[in-house]
Amino acid sequence: KAGVTQTPRYLIKTRGQQVTLSCSPISGHRSVSWYQQTPGQGLQFLFEYFSETQRNKGNFPGRFSGRQFSNSRSEMNVSTLELGDSALYLCASSYRDRGMVTEAFFGQGTRLTVV
Amino acid sequence: DAKTTQPPSMDCAEGRAANLPCNHSTISGNEYVYWYRQIHSQGPQYIIHGLKNNETNEMASLIITEDRKSSTLILPHATLRDTAVYYCIPFLRINAGGTSYGKLTFGQGTILTVHP
Repeated sequence: KAGVTQTPRYLIKTRGQQVTLSCSPISGHRSVSWYQQTPGQGLQFLFEYFSETQRNKGNFPGRFSGRQFSNSRSEMNVSTLELGDSALYLCASSYRDRGMVTEAFFGQGTRLTVV
Repeated sequence: DAKTTQPPSMDCAEGRAANLPCNHSTISGNEYVYWYRQIHSQGPQYIIHGLKNNETNEMASLIITEDRKSSTLILPHATLRDTAVYYCIPFLRINAGGTSYGKLTFGQGTILTVHP
């Protein structure tokens, strides 16, 4: 069974630009969550998508957004990039239904550097 | 969200058991205890979870105290590849409403260093 796939693995962007990251979950998993990891703040929850709807959101500005497609693949977008957005962005997929959610499996992440 | 307390770092000799403690005294009755680890610059890896009973899988054992205020992750025969940051996370697995459902809240974790 293929794991969670994130693309690209590495990215360098300039301040003010926008970026789109992609995540393909494990087959059969319909919940996709995104996390940001920085040395200063650690691992922080960004948002979760399930059945193409955002179900939960962390404490991040509106420049951070996401979406989920009918095949459960997800993208996250960061607009007007700032130096502080440099981080490892991690995607995790879970099996979820109306009543429960299973353990999350993470991808290898996308390393974003803003210069 | 329930808060956790873990020692910042621990050392273990290769081949010996590594016992990683976690205090989660404010855990709610329906929160499971999940353990993840993160090897440098990789995505976190799920290890094990439990609610009340002790659990064991091919990677580790989880011991949860009867009052559920603390737990211990046991790696029975640590290897150099077990060197990682270990996170203990209370997790709402069952949908009882609220914003915590399905969200992993990572603390600082414990840096485990396994040495030869």
